Amino acid sequence: DQQVKQNSPSLSVQEGRISILNCDYTNSMFDYFLWYKKYPAEGPTFLISISSIKDKNEDGRFTVFLNKSAKHLSLHIVPSQPGDSAVYFCAARSNTGNQFYFGTGTSLTVIP
Amino acid sequence: KAGVTQTPRYLIKTRGQQVTLSCSPISGHRSVSWYQQTPGQGLQFLFEYFSETQRNKGNFPGRFSGRQFSNSRSEMNVSTLELGDSALYLCASRRLAGDSGQYFGPGTRLTVT
Repeated sequence: DQQVKQNSPSLSVQEGRISILNCDYTNSMFDYFLWYKKYPAEGPTFLISISSIKDKNEDGRFTVFLNKSAKHLSLHIVPSQPGDSAVYFCAARSNTGNQFYFGTGTSLTVIP
Repeated sequence: KAGVTQTPRYLIKTRGQQVTLSCSPISGHRSVSWYQQTPGQGLQFLFEYFSETQRNKGNFPGRFSGRQFSNSRSEMNVSTLELGDSALYLCASRRLAGDSGQYFGPGTRLTVT
């Protein structure tokens, strides 16, 4: 049972525009959410995170929004750059067992 | 500080064989988690070890096992390999089991033929 879902397998965006990646979750016990970026032949690298007590966290071009009532989070990248082309994974941590649950990933392509 | 390292990077095995994968965490990190990544399934949690003890376990059959040594290095073993075990196996470390972030290694690409 997939507790974290990324329903868009892929996304293409023009350079300079905004990229919006979405993630939905089902478990209300998740207390921490993260986004990872993964390039081919490399492991995922941490990008940005947000605690369940917040609804927004910003780090440079990256902003994560959390809507707890909708059990939805999104990652905004503004402006998008070709180097942002990668697979993005959404992850959530359970407050009971410290286990991380990952989505299936969204492949972002930024077109120059 | 060196990152998480995994060996080997690529492996080809035959159905029915067994395999052992190795992970060396970042120095000072005591928690090691293992994940299986397959297309369409994302990263599926296998198990986590902390101070040589398994703390959490995902929904995988008993053919998948692991251990952690006193230096925090971890190994993962898969016995009686099946074609469906072909995947990228990722290891991640964090300093303590309760830390909010984890650092991933490059993975071991296992192909079962």
